[in-house]
Amino acid sequence: AQTVTQSQPEMSVQEAETVTLSCTYDTSENNYYLFWYKQPPSRQMILVIRQEAYKQQNATENRFSVNFQKAAKSFSLKISDSQLGDTAMYFCAFMIGYNTDKLIFGTGTRLQVFP
Amino acid sequence: DSGVTQTPKHLITATGQRVTLRCSPRSGDLSVYWYQQSLDQGLQFLIQYYNGEERAKGNILERFSAQQFPDLHSELNLSSLELGDSALYFCASSPEGNGAGEKLFFGSGTQLSVL
Repeated sequence: AQTVTQSQPEMSVQEAETVTLSCTYDTSENNYYLFWYKQPPSRQMILVIRQEAYKQQNATENRFSVNFQKAAKSFSLKISDSQLGDTAMYFCAFMIGYNTDKLIFGTGTRLQVFP
Repeated sequence: DSGVTQTPKHLITATGQRVTLRCSPRSGDLSVYWYQQSLDQGLQFLIQYYNGEERAKGNILERFSAQQFPDLHSELNLSSLELGDSALYFCASSPEGNGAGEKLFFGSGTQLSVL
């Protein structure tokens, strides 16, 4: 069974600074996908970024980028130039690459951005 | 706005009762996913439907059932409710959901409170 671990329950960062959220996962599969979702106080689940395991290049979406280390089964999220609106719960998620696109989520990291 | 509609937004009921949560997927999406988010269990995958058929099943209790109708909307039925069923229930949708790594788009959730 696949598992996703987020070892940082809470983190904080000052506005305009950079912060990195950690995620590790466990799988015996070779074909899979990894995601980061953001859940602000509104509780809406918002997709931040997506990574395909067979691609070595790290995904980037504006201020958000990932450091994907397949051998180490690590998938961290870097937020650059943090903004107050980045305050949210961040969930790392794993998706197996066959039959279904269900997501397996980690426990989340609560990020607080301070002015 | 993700395009996924969930109703109602809030539901308050008593133990032993039965409720129905409704989800309309994004236009064109054939797959619907149900998730439960609670403080103790985190985000748990319950079940996925594709074009009316069950495609994947997670940790869904026997007291819970779901279905997807010909117009592709889905309903999650929760019966014999217990206090521990209090949670935020999310619906998500994707075009096919067959393991191609599709992005899932989430509704705003139904907050269920069992008193």
